[in-house]
Amino acid sequence: KQEVTQIPAALSVPEGENLVLNCSFTDSAIYNLQWFRQDPGKGLTSLLLIQSSQREQTSGRLNASLDKSSGRSTLYIAASQPGDSATYLCAVRRNYGQNFVFGPGTRLSVLP
Amino acid sequence: EADIYQTPRYLVIGTGKKITLECSQTMGHDKMYWYQQDPGMELHLIHYSYGVNSTEKGDLSSESTVSRIRTEHFPLTLESARPSHTSQYLCASSNPYRDGTDTQYFGPGTRLTVL
Repeated sequence: KQEVTQIPAALSVPEGENLVLNCSFTDSAIYNLQWFRQDPGKGLTSLLLIQSSQREQTSGRLNASLDKSSGRSTLYIAASQPGDSATYLCAVRRNYGQNFVFGPGTRLSVLP
Repeated sequence: EADIYQTPRYLVIGTGKKITLECSQTMGHDKMYWYQQDPGMELHLIHYSYGVNSTEKGDLSSESTVSRIRTEHFPLTLESARPSHTSQYLCASSNPYRDGTDTQYFGPGTRLTVL
């Protein structure tokens, strides 16, 4: 059974710092991995999706990498801003069309 | 921006009441999902649907039921609410048959409190 963990559980940084969020999964046989952002009391917003054949994806200040063989993904946020404060979740899918397994998330606070 | 809506956004009710949480999407997505999320905890899939007249149970056992009579609509019903049902309920949709990435789009959620 796939299990997804995220480290750290919470992170507080001053504005402007570059930071890395980690996601680990136990079964490396995945189809894709997706990073989401969740603001308090709200739904999830998709940030980046990496197919199993890809090593990384970039969108603006965000860069997500995938090392499938070691069961790891990282989300890199450059030049963090207070508006980046949210919970970041990663989710993995075993096969095309199957359901996601979500991690517990990393709660990020960027202080002005 | 995704066009997926949930109502109500917040609901406080007494034990034993029947409730229906509404979820609608205007993207024509075939697949829809309901997740349950306790504060600070993981999302757990409780129901999903591949399309009209299709409903499946998710990974987490739930006393709720769902129906899918129309493509755009996927309501969740609790026949008799209990305090243990207090949680946030998130609806999502995707189109794996047309979108090769099968990206999921989420609604804003319904925060349910049962007294």
